[in-house]
Amino acid sequence: TQLLEQSPQFLSIQEGENLTVYCNSSSVFSSLQWYRQEPGEGPVLLVTVVTGGEVKKLKRLTFQFGDARKDSSLHITAAQPGDTGLYLCAGREIQGAQKLVFGQGTRLTINP
Amino acid sequence: DAGVTQSPTHLIKTRGQQVTLRCSPKSGHDTVSWYQQALGQGPQFIFQYYEEEERQRGNFPDRFSGHQFPNYSSELNVNALLLGDSALYLCASSLYTGELFFGEGSRLTVL
Repeated sequence: TQLLEQSPQFLSIQEGENLTVYCNSSSVFSSLQWYRQEPGEGPVLLVTVVTGGEVKKLKRLTFQFGDARKDSSLHITAAQPGDTGLYLCAGREIQGAQKLVFGQGTRLTINP
Repeated sequence: DAGVTQSPTHLIKTRGQQVTLRCSPKSGHDTVSWYQQALGQGPQFIFQYYEEEERQRGNFPDRFSGHQFPNYSSELNVNALLLGDSALYLCASSLYTGELFFGEGSRLTVL
């Protein structure tokens, strides 16, 4: 079973600070996705990275896929209280067409 | 265009009972996947249905079963409920190899 380890599991910082969340595995994935989940809701897709070394930006969020397609990072610049939520990384297995393997999530709190 | 809808949103059962959760996929989607998300954890893949057949299955016991109907909607059934089955059950729909869209989930509490 492929595993994805996210770190940190909990992060509480002040508005305006920068942060990075990491997602690591010993397995190779065909693609990696980042989701954000609010309480009482399902995960919502933020981005998909496919190519090793790929970098994608979504406003103040920067996502990077590792060269070997085993790890990924999410960097948030100048965090806002609206960024508060559960961030999940999920890798798509190479063998399975659809199965996503999720990390345990990073619960992010941005304090005003 | 309605997204993925799940019912019920919340339910409480006792140990040993059976439960059925329902999912209507996003319009145009033909594939439904079910995930279990325990409190404080990431979602765990249960199984996926495409063309009314189970195509992939995660590490869940046979107490977990499902069905997909000709209109692509799906049910998740769990028999002989255990306390550890308490979780948020998420349904995700997609085209077979496409992006997953998640519903808001069904929160199951087993007492």
